[in-house]
Amino acid sequence: AQKVTQAQTEISVVEKEDVTLDCVYETRDTTYYLFWYKQPPSGELVFLIRRNSFDEQNEISGRYSWNFQKSTSSFNFTITASQVVDSAVYFCALSEAMIKAAGNKLTFGGGTRVLVKP
Amino acid sequence: EPEVTQTPSHQVTQMGQEVILRCVPISNHLYFYWYRQILGQKVEFLVSFYNNEISEKSEIFDDQFSVERPDGSNFTLKIRSTKLEDSAMYFCASSEVWNSPLHFGNGTRLTVT
Repeated sequence: AQKVTQAQTEISVVEKEDVTLDCVYETRDTTYYLFWYKQPPSGELVFLIRRNSFDEQNEISGRYSWNFQKSTSSFNFTITASQVVDSAVYFCALSEAMIKAAGNKLTFGGGTRVLVKP
Repeated sequence: EPEVTQTPSHQVTQMGQEVILRCVPISNHLYFYWYRQILGQKVEFLVSFYNNEISEKSEIFDDQFSVERPDGSNFTLKIRSTKLEDSAMYFCASSEVWNSPLHFGNGTRLTVT
């Protein structure tokens, strides 16, 4: 069975500090997808990134960067120079998606609440 | 940018009543999903729907739950006889193809009293 663990339940930082969110996953499959979603206080789930298991290149998008390490089953997320608007709950998710008809069934981690103080 | 829309945003119902949560997925998407999030907890998969039938469902999705795509645009989740523990935020999502990212709606907060 697949599992996603986000050990940090809450992180509090001061604006402009960097913050790294940890995500560790378990899966028996060799082909899978990893995701990060943001849930701001308004409650919606906003897609941030998807990686497939064959692509271990790190990715940077503006102030966001992701570090995927298959050897440690981790997919960590860093926000550089945090801003108050980054305050949200961030969820890491895993999809095995081996059955085409099932679509992208996601297993979510417990989420990490990030509080950025001015 | 196209988005998934859900109505209502908040639904209050009494225990034992039936509720229908409505969703309009993104128009060219082929896969539809319902997830739920009990307050303060993780997001949990309920059901996926493809080609006009359920393709996968979780243990949570028991006989009290059903989904339907009554026309070309709407996707509904029905809870036949609500229980207190059904109180949660229910998210509808859709994806273009089987392995593409899910796009979520803003959710319907269901409160069962």
